[in-house]
Amino acid sequence: DVKVTQSSRYLVKRTGEKVFLECVQDMDHENMFWYRQDPGLGLRLIYFSYDVKMKEKGDIPEGYSVSREKKERFSLILESASTNQTSMYLCASRAPGQGGSPLHFGNGTRLTVT
Amino acid sequence: AQSVTQLGSHVSVSEGALVLLRCNYSSSVPPYLFWYVQYPNQGLQLLLKYTSAATLVKGINGFEAEFKKSETSFHLTKPSAHMSDAAEYFCAVSESGNEKLTFGTGTRLTIIP
Repeated sequence: DVKVTQSSRYLVKRTGEKVFLECVQDMDHENMFWYRQDPGLGLRLIYFSYDVKMKEKGDIPEGYSVSREKKERFSLILESASTNQTSMYLCASRAPGQGGSPLHFGNGTRLTVT
Repeated sequence: AQSVTQLGSHVSVSEGALVLLRCNYSSSVPPYLFWYVQYPNQGLQLLLKYTSAATLVKGINGFEAEFKKSETSFHLTKPSAHMSDAAEYFCAVSESGNEKLTFGTGTRLTIIP
């Protein structure tokens, strides 16, 4: 079974702090994704990566950046946290395959910015 | 551009009754379609997926979904609801050559004892 591990389940940070959310997958998947989940809005894609050091903006990249130095690890960075970034963050990985392979998700990080 | 609409943000059914969760999609090419389930404080788990084989897809926990191209729909059903089915359900679409999945806004299913 694919395992996607997010380093923190709950995180509380102050406005203006730099925040790192870490995600590791153990199935050698090329593609990795960061989504944020908010009530009534579903999942919205922040960034994704299709290879080491490669990244592409999703639908809501503003205020975020990412890093992928190793294939198994994909980090989401909030350069200067703001209260409107309080949310559930979900990491996922996927084998490449013309769109038909499913995403495998971690358990999420619930971030609160005060 | 691909998109998904889930009708009904909240659905309540009695235990033992039929579950029907609606999903309509928009895609410029033949789509891949997915249903995911999220239990409280967990990530999303794959229930089932449609990838252009049989139009009736069976998934885990007794769920199934039917792809209807003419209606651009992929509704999720289960003949008899169980208390353990209470969760949030997400429909998602991706297109061939597009590695991104686009999700609907989700439907929270409540089971009434």
